[in-house]
Amino acid sequence: GENVEQHPSTLSVQEGDSAVIKCTYSDSASNYFPWYKQELGKRPQLIIDIRSNVGEKKDQRIAVTLNKTAKHFSLHITETQPEDSAVYFCAASRTGGFKTIFGAGTRLFVKA
Amino acid sequence: NAGVTQTPKFQVLKTGQSMTLQCAQDMNHEYMSWYRQDPGMGLRLIHYSVGAGITDQGEVPNGYNVSRSTTEDFPLRLLSAAPSQTSVYFCASSADRGREQYFGPGTRLTVT
Repeated sequence: GENVEQHPSTLSVQEGDSAVIKCTYSDSASNYFPWYKQELGKRPQLIIDIRSNVGEKKDQRIAVTLNKTAKHFSLHITETQPEDSAVYFCAASRTGGFKTIFGAGTRLFVKA
Repeated sequence: NAGVTQTPKFQVLKTGQSMTLQCAQDMNHEYMSWYRQDPGMGLRLIHYSVGAGITDQGEVPNGYNVSRSTTEDFPLRLLSAAPSQTSVYFCASSADRGREQYFGPGTRLTVT
């Protein structure tokens, strides 16, 4: 069945450093790839997404890259801040379908 | 707009009891879904709906029922609670396939 693998499960960085989270997906028909951030005790919220017709998308300190051939996409956070500490989920879905498959999550710690 | 709302926030059940988790949205979204979140396993899709009167199974549907009689409401029923259903449950809605999902605040369910 469809699967999304996410690595690492835990990531600790120093404030100001960059953080990279990687995901691979199994369904080659997937064409929508959102990233959600979940702060402790809160609901997941979308921070950035990318569609398969685009290789890279950037929003201030956050960027996402997509390699459709390798079925691989990544989240890049630059100049990390303590408020970036949270759990980040990648996901994959088809615009022609509805099921969204989530990765297991990455817990990011940003040390001040 | 209240967005996506869920009740109750916390619930403790005994094995074998039944209950309904409520979910409502006021954004006129056609697509709604239920996820469960367990440590280290991300968000797993239980059931989803693409409009009033239309529902389908997700990854982990066993032990749960849903119905969608109106666009606004999408309740999740636990038929006979089991300890394995101890989890945090999130309801989500989106305007269309392959679009951002808006999550409710979650229901933390414990089955003893």
